Amino acid sequence: AQSVTQLDSHVSVSEGTPVLLRCNYSSSYSPSLFWYVQHPNKGLQLLLKYTSAATLVKGINGFEAEFKKSETSFHLTKPSAHMSDAAEYFCVVSEEAGTALIFGKGTTLSVSS
Amino acid sequence: GAGVSQTPSNKVTEKGKYVELRCDPISGHTALYWYRQSLGQGPEFLIYFQGTGAADDSGLPNDRFFAVRPEGSVSTLKIQRTERGDSAVYLCASSSSRQPGNEQFFGPGTRLTVL
Repeated sequence: AQSVTQLDSHVSVSEGTPVLLRCNYSSSYSPSLFWYVQHPNKGLQLLLKYTSAATLVKGINGFEAEFKKSETSFHLTKPSAHMSDAAEYFCVVSEEAGTALIFGKGTTLSVSS
Repeated sequence: GAGVSQTPSNKVTEKGKYVELRCDPISGHTALYWYRQSLGQGPEFLIYFQGTGAADDSGLPNDRFFAVRPEGSVSTLKIQRTERGDSAVYLCASSSSRQPGNEQFFGPGTRLTVL
């Protein structure tokens, strides 16, 4: 069975410093992995996705994530945080098209000036 | 182009009442999903349609919940005899079979409050 564990429920950074949001997954097959972002009172927006191509995936707004099969991890990073990055971030796993997405519990990112 | 739309954006009802939540997927997307997001949690899967048929309804919590997609486009999630525990944001997503991986596009959600 698939599952996702987001290791931090809340991460706080200062503007201009690096961001690291950690995610570990469990899957029986070769999964697709995603990071979605949810700003307050807004819909879920896809940041990036891994679908068995390059292991380092670049997304929107300067975010990237690296798929590490040996560590079953898919951590999200950004070199320099911006105030507008403050939001809820979800790590998501899916085994194949036409199946449900399995969401982690989310990590709240706070950015201070 | 238009994204996934959901109506109403907010719904307040009383315990025991019946509610319907509507989802308009992206035009041409054959797959449609319903999720429920409780406060402080990630979305949880409810049901998946491929075309008109429910391909997977294993996430529906009980028989008070039902969903239809009669023409393979718009879908309606129906909740009978609502309970306070049904209060949540109900999210709809759609995807194309031509989309690599399983990228799903989400609507803004319907916030259901059961008093």
